[in-house]
Amino acid sequence: KQEVTQIPAALSVPEGENLVLNCSFTDSAIYNLQWFRQDPGKGLTSLLLIQSSQREQTSGRLNASLDKSSGRSTLYIAASQPGDSATYLCAVPAHGGSQGNLIFGKGTKLSVKP
Amino acid sequence: NAGVMQNPRHLVRRRGQEARLRCSPMKGHSHVYWYRQLPEEGLKFMVYLQKENIIDESGMPKERFSAEFPKEGPSILRIQQVVRGDSAAYFCASSPNIGDTGELFFGEGSRLTVL
Repeated sequence: KQEVTQIPAALSVPEGENLVLNCSFTDSAIYNLQWFRQDPGKGLTSLLLIQSSQREQTSGRLNASLDKSSGRSTLYIAASQPGDSATYLCAVPAHGGSQGNLIFGKGTKLSVKP
Repeated sequence: NAGVMQNPRHLVRRRGQEARLRCSPMKGHSHVYWYRQLPEEGLKFMVYLQKENIIDESGMPKERFSAEFPKEGPSILRIQQVVRGDSAAYFCASSPNIGDTGELFFGEGSRLTVL
């Protein structure tokens, strides 16, 4: 059964720092991994989708990497800003599950202090 | 291009009442998914629908919960005889018909409070 773990559960950094959020999954037979951002009381915003054939994806100050063999993904945020404060979630497809049946981690709650 | 639209955003029900949550997918999307986020827990998959078809309901509770996606109109998640434990945020997501990369796009959610 696929399980997704995110470490740390919470992180507080000063503005301008580079930071790394970690996501691990138990079943490496995934075909993609998706990172989301969730603001308090809001929905999820898709940040990056990495296909299993890719090793990383970049969007602006965000870079996500994927190492299937070790069951890990990292989300790197460069030059963090207070507006980056949110909960970051990673998700992978459930093994043997239908399309769209994603297993989510519990998230890393990021706070960037001005 | 409007995103995934959910309504109501907030819903309060008393125990035993019915709750109906609606979701309109993004334009050009015909795949709809419902997820539930209980307080202090991660999102859990409930059901995957296409127009007039339930594709995967493996995450749906066996009783009181049902979902539909009719030929016309939004997808509906229906909870009968609500109990306090149903209080949660219910999120709808959609994905495109063609060139589907597996990426899901989520709505803002409907927050159900059962008194």
